[in-house]
Amino acid sequence: GEDVEQSLFLSVREGDSSVINCTYTDSSSTYLYWYKQEPGAGLQLLTYIFSNMDMKQDQRLTVLLNKKDKHLSLRIADTQTGDSAIYFCAGGGGYQKVTFGTGTKLQVIP
Amino acid sequence: GAVVSQHPSRVICKSGTSVKIECRSLDFQATTMFWYRQFPKQSLMLMATSNEGSKATYEQGVEKDKFLINHASLTLSTLTVTSAHPEDSSFYICSARGMTGLSYNEQFFGPGTRLTVL
Repeated sequence: GEDVEQSLFLSVREGDSSVINCTYTDSSSTYLYWYKQEPGAGLQLLTYIFSNMDMKQDQRLTVLLNKKDKHLSLRIADTQTGDSAIYFCAGGGGYQKVTFGTGTKLQVIP
Repeated sequence: GAVVSQHPSRVICKSGTSVKIECRSLDFQATTMFWYRQFPKQSLMLMATSNEGSKATYEQGVEKDKFLINHASLTLSTLTVTSAHPEDSSFYICSARGMTGLSYNEQFFGPGTRLTVL
């Protein structure tokens, strides 16, 4: 099955950019997703990228996909304290099972 | 986006009792619903996939007799934890996938249910 790895923790200062990285093993995923989970809450889909795209920008969020290296990243510009949460990358979509990464806890320092 | 609700949001029960968790898609029809379990400080583990009107498909290592899943309609799936024990304490999250459009490839997640078994 798919393995999806993320670094466990990231700390940034408010106003700086955050970059959360993810590596995966299965290149057959149709979609690659980024989800946000706030404490005690469910998952919120932030953005997704189709597997034949290299980049997608959505307001403060930029997703980069390097298919050769099987590497996905999420950049959050002008990070705010409200961005503090756990971020999960995931791969799959359609009839494929969605596999989640281990999650990265983002801490934003005021 | 589409809304998925879960009920209850939090439940505490005694060991040996059964607990039912409901997952509803509020404004779309969900042909497929997924049940996940999340351990503290860990990622989500898929427990089972249920398609409306058919039996759920369980992931390896998940006891189907312990975690009963019913998906009787296009808007409701239930997870029943039977004879719950303290090791079943966890955060259970459901998600739903719709029939057409973007919702076909997107899973919409519920807010989760925190189960504590004493």
